Order: sequence, then structure tokens, then C-alpha cells
Amino acid sequence: EIGMTQSPDTLSVSPGERVTLSCRASHSVSGNLGWYQQKPGQAPRLLIYGASTRATGVPARFSGSGSETDFTLTISSLQSEDFAVYYCQQYKNWPRTFGQGTKVEIK
Amino acid sequence: EVQLLESGGGLIQPGGSLRLSCAASGFTFSDYAMSWVRQAPGKGLEWVSDINGSGGSRYHAESVTGRFTISRDNSKNMLFLQMNSLRAEDTAVYYCAKGGGSPPSSAWYAEYYQHWGQGALVIVSS
Repeated sequence: EIGMTQSPDTLSVSPGERVTLSCRASHSVSGNLGWYQQKPGQAPRLLIYGASTRATGVPARFSGSGSETDFTLTISSLQSEDFAVYYCQQYKNWPRTFGQGTKVEIK
Repeated sequence: EVQLLESGGGLIQPGGSLRLSCAASGFTFSDYAMSWVRQAPGKGLEWVSDINGSGGSRYHAESVTGRFTISRDNSKNMLFLQMNSLRAEDTAVYYCAKGGGSPPSSAWYAEYYQHWGQGALVIVSS
């Protein structure tokens, strides 16, 4: 099983700031990495797949990078609607595994 | 517009059985692998099961193997999760998810999850 570890667990940020979230895989997943956003009481929403491809309708302020074991989700200028929990997920192997999540909260 | 609507959740005693359903619309159902992902209260996301477009290939998490079975009825655009021998630790919101990508590869296996249902709450408690 490929373990996924996200850092930090919580990030306190002011609107307008640049945000960088990290995700590390215990083994290489190549580029088979997705990022999701989840707001309270809602289902997750796909943001990024293939490590760096934005899903349909996702604003350009969201970008993904990385390969093999180290990945980053960047929000260039945090908007009020971006306060949420973010998860990474590998789909290189079964079982599919998610990181524990990073909560982005208002500073 | 893709829509996924789960049903069948509820309160069930430990050791009991429950079948979740997911009604899909807005896309050619058989062209896509489908999945179940769950989320325990206040916890993160946990993959549960995958099924390919034809229903011939299935994968289950080790934590549910032998107890849960994923299936689909392509004639009715329905996805199912039969859950037996339920335990307290199975308490969660269960999401139906559509795999990403485009046909034909999208039917082979689910990779990332492009669309999600609103979730069905399953509570296992006496």
C-alpha cells in the first residue's frame, strides 16, 4: 500500500495570500496524483489530476506540480471560498489511498 | 449534467446488512468505471471499492474484503454496494464516485474521481 502524507495538517492564511500544500507518497506514483477540495457538509470536488492538470471549471489560481513522490498544490491568491480541507490521492496502485488532508483556515 | 444520487443509508445494528444504491445520469454509464469512497465522522477520505465499466473487474479495500461487494446494473444506470457483517468502524458517509478520463480507458478502471454524489450516511450502532 502506498502511504500518502500531507503537510501541514492545518494552515492559517489571510485572504489574498499565496498558499502551498504538500503531499508526499511512500513510493513513486509517477504522475498519478489528484487533488480534491472539500467544504463542510459537501462532497469532495476534483481540482487537479495527473499531478498538474486542472479539472473542468477549476479557477486558474489553483495549480499542481510534482512527480514520483513529492507533490504540491498551490493557490496563487487565496479567496474566501477557498477555505476548505484539501486531499491528495494516488491512483498508481490499488488500494487507492488519500492523504489525511490539510485544512486551510482563516487567519 | 452528471448526477449521482445515493440512497439506502441508515441506522443498522452491528452484524447487520445494508445495500447502498447510486443512480447515475448525464453520461453513458457503461463507459466509466465507478467507485465507492467513504468518510467516517470528522475523518478523512477512504477508498472502499472500484468496478470497471462492464462489471467484470472489482477491487475492494482490505478492510471490507469478504464483507462488502460492489456491483452495477448498466441497463438501469445503477451502482450498488452490498454491505454485510457491518461493524461500528463502518460508520461513515459513503460517496458514489465516477472515474475520470474518457472512453475507452475510462471504462477499464477508476483513477481519479471526477464526479461525486452527495453521500449516504451509514450508522452502525446498537
